[in-house]
Order: sequence, then C-alpha cells, then structure tokens
Amino acid sequence: DGGITQSPKYLFRKEGQNVTLSCEQNLNHDAMYWYRQDPGQGLRLIYYSQIVNDFQKGDIAEGYSVSREKKESFPLTVTSAQKNPTAFYLCASSPRGSSYNEQFFGPGTRLTVL
Amino acid sequence: DAKTTQPPSMDCAEGRAANLPCNHSTISGNEYVYWYRQIHSQGPQYIIHGLKNNETNEMASLIITEDRKSSTLILPHATLRDTAVYYCIVRGILTGGGNKLTFGTGTQLKVEL
Repeated sequence: DGGITQSPKYLFRKEGQNVTLSCEQNLNHDAMYWYRQDPGQGLRLIYYSQIVNDFQKGDIAEGYSVSREKKESFPLTVTSAQKNPTAFYLCASSPRGSSYNEQFFGPGTRLTVL
Repeated sequence: DAKTTQPPSMDCAEGRAANLPCNHSTISGNEYVYWYRQIHSQGPQYIIHGLKNNETNEMASLIITEDRKSSTLILPHATLRDTAVYYCIVRGILTGGGNKLTFGTGTQLKVEL
C-alpha cells in the first residue's frame, strides 16, 4: 500500500532535549511538508521541501530543523530552542509539477515535552 | 493569501445533506478553493477543490458562487463517519512553487442519529 508513515504515534521527551520525528512516503512524491497543530487550532506550516537536498522555511520554522537527503524521507528535529514544542505534528507529501495537486497527510505524531 | 471564514460548528442528522458554508471574499481570480477534513487525531484528508465551476466527486459536491466570494461543500447523505472538522482553504503559492495550504480553525460537523 502506498502512503505516508510517521513514527512514533506518541512521543515523550524531557525539556531541553532535541527530538527527531520520522516521516516516510512511498508515493514517489517530490514535495514534502511539516505542519504543527495545537489544540483547537488549524495547521501551521513549519518547513517544506520541493525536491531532494532542498528545503524552505514555512511560517513557524524557529526552533525546528529538517533534512531531505532522500526523496522518501523528510525528518523533523524539534530542538531545545523551540519554546513550546508540545503539539501534534503532521507530515504531508504531494506530486510536483502541477500547481493544483492535493497534499496527502500522514497519521501524525503527538509530542509531549515534560 | 486569501482568508476564509467558516462557522465554528454545525449539526446534521444522519442521512440528510450537510451543507458547509465558507466565505472567501478576498479571493483572487486564479486562486483555487480546497476542502479538507480532519477526523479527530488523524491527518487531514483531501475532499475536493474548484476554481469557478461546480465540482462533484464520490465524496462531495462543491458549489462556488458566481462572484467566487463564497462556496458551499455538500455531503449529500451524511453518516456518523462524516463527523469531523472541515477546512475551507484558498490555495496560496509557496516560494519555489507548490501549493500553500493555510488551515484555519474550520467547522466542526457533528452528524447525529
């Protein structure tokens, strides 16, 4: 089955620790995205990547870092510089080339920083 | 990016049509309207999108007014599994190309027996 996987589903970390969230897709999509969602709120774009070895900051990139060494993988690191890291994190991917493509979302990782 | 306005919540009886409104009065001529939904604690799911013509697929219909300042998502026969938050989004463009989807707070649709 083609799709996007995020692991783990729930993640707990102590304050001050960096943590890396995994996102893998086997849809052969060029573009990948990371969003953050807080309770009762919509999604906000953290980082996106249109192609391997390239990525751009979204609306709330401070305190986060990403890499895109492989087409199918787009890991997100939540650093200790992120002031409020507890949130629901969603990864998405889409084909590139057309401006009107839908984004496919993974199941999300709920991060809790204690 | 054009901003959208949606009612925070709506109720619908199972089997009836659910009509979810969205205002996007600042939309520009080449901006598409997208609808996604998010079932609790899951990733959003694409439903439908359109530019100016009405659109229909296996999930829903999208009615866009002639002046494109508002639209309505129609779920023709709502079921309990349609209970979710529905997001109306006017697509923006990311630096370097690609869609920018700005998710507001959406409409919480509750389908009841």
